[in-house]
This record gives sequence, structure tokens and C-alpha cells, in this order.
Amino acid sequence: SQTIHQWPATLVQPVGSPLSLECTVEGTSNPNLYWYRQAAGRGLQLLFYSVGIGQISSEVPQNLSASRPQDRQFILSSKKLLLSDSGFYLCAWGTGGYRSNQPQHFGDGTRLSIL
Amino acid sequence: GQQVMQIPQYQHVQEGEDFTTYCNSSTTLSNIQWYKQRPGGHPVFLIQLVKSGEVKKQKRLTFQFGEAKKNSSLHITATQTTDVGTYFCAGPDAGGTSYGKLTFGQGTILTVHP
Repeated sequence: SQTIHQWPATLVQPVGSPLSLECTVEGTSNPNLYWYRQAAGRGLQLLFYSVGIGQISSEVPQNLSASRPQDRQFILSSKKLLLSDSGFYLCAWGTGGYRSNQPQHFGDGTRLSIL
Repeated sequence: GQQVMQIPQYQHVQEGEDFTTYCNSSTTLSNIQWYKQRPGGHPVFLIQLVKSGEVKKQKRLTFQFGEAKKNSSLHITATQTTDVGTYFCAGPDAGGTSYGKLTFGQGTILTVHP
């Protein structure tokens, strides 16, 4: 069966520090991968998606970047965190393909607090 | 761009009462998906509806997809404290190259008083 791992679960970082969140998927090949941010009590905002190694699409301009160095590895990064980067970050995977209509499956998320 | 609106934003019920959340899309959807997020947790896929007018049931949960495939609803009969959480609807981006992207509604936060 497929599983998705996301770490760390919580993170407290000072303003201006770098960030690296990692997500890995097991049990499937060539998945579509997604990074979302969720503000407290709010909906899900899609940040990045990837349909293959090295292929990253950004949905909103921001202080963050994403990379996919391996088929089942997705990384969210920042060189200098802002206070506004605080939130709940969720990684998700879905069946691959550009016409995919399949559900997405989420990791446990990372709660990021910027001080 | 495509918008998915969900109402109500909050719903407080007494245990045993029914609950309904509604979802409306600005565009016709190929399918609608529903997710549940428990407090402190991550969204979990519940169900996908594909056909116009489709109705599916999961125990006390009933999901409907509108005839025009632009709206959907989730109804919970006789709520229990285990139903607490945020319920999201989501529709795939329009077009043939959506890459599985979903537009999520803002969610309905359900609290159940025992």
C-alpha cells in the first residue's frame, strides 16, 4: 500500500532563517506531488505541484521554493523565512498523469511557527 | 479562475442532530471529492462523485452531486462526537491538463456538543 511521510511534525524558526521540509512517498511510482499551506481555521492553498523529477510549477508568488530531486521525494525550501510563512504545511500525492482526476492523499503535515 | 464555495463556514450541533454542508462551483466539474480533517490532523479523502445526480452513502454520511455537476452536498444523520472536524469539498481544475490539481472549498467546521 502507498504511504506518505512528512517531517518534521513541528518546527519553530526565527525570522530570516532557512527552511527545508521533506516529503517522501512509498508504494507508488511517478506520483503527482503537491505542497499546500493552511492558515489556522482556513482552507488549503496550493503552493507547488510536480508531475515528475525536476518539474516544479508554482501556483502563487511567494518566499518559498520547491524541488523534486527523486521520483518520490518533494522538498519545500526557503532561504529566509518571513513571519507570514507561519502555517500548517501539507504534502500530498495523487496518481500521476496530466489528466489525473484521482483523489489526493495527504501527509501528517508540518506546523511551522516563525518567531 | 475556478472557484469552489462552501457553506456554512461553521456549524455547531447537539449530538444526535443532523448536519449538512453545501458546495458550489463556478464551473462544471468532472467530479467532486470530499475530505475530512480532524482537529490537529490532515485532510483524509472520503469519497468521489462522478455522475450527474449521483448519491452515495457511507453509514450515516450521504453525498450528493448535482444534476448540473456544479454543486454537491454532504449530509450527516444523527451526528456523533466522532464527526467533529472540518469537511472540505474539492473539484479538479478545468481543462485537459489539470495534473490532478484540486480547488478546495474553504471548508465547514463542525463541532458537536455531547
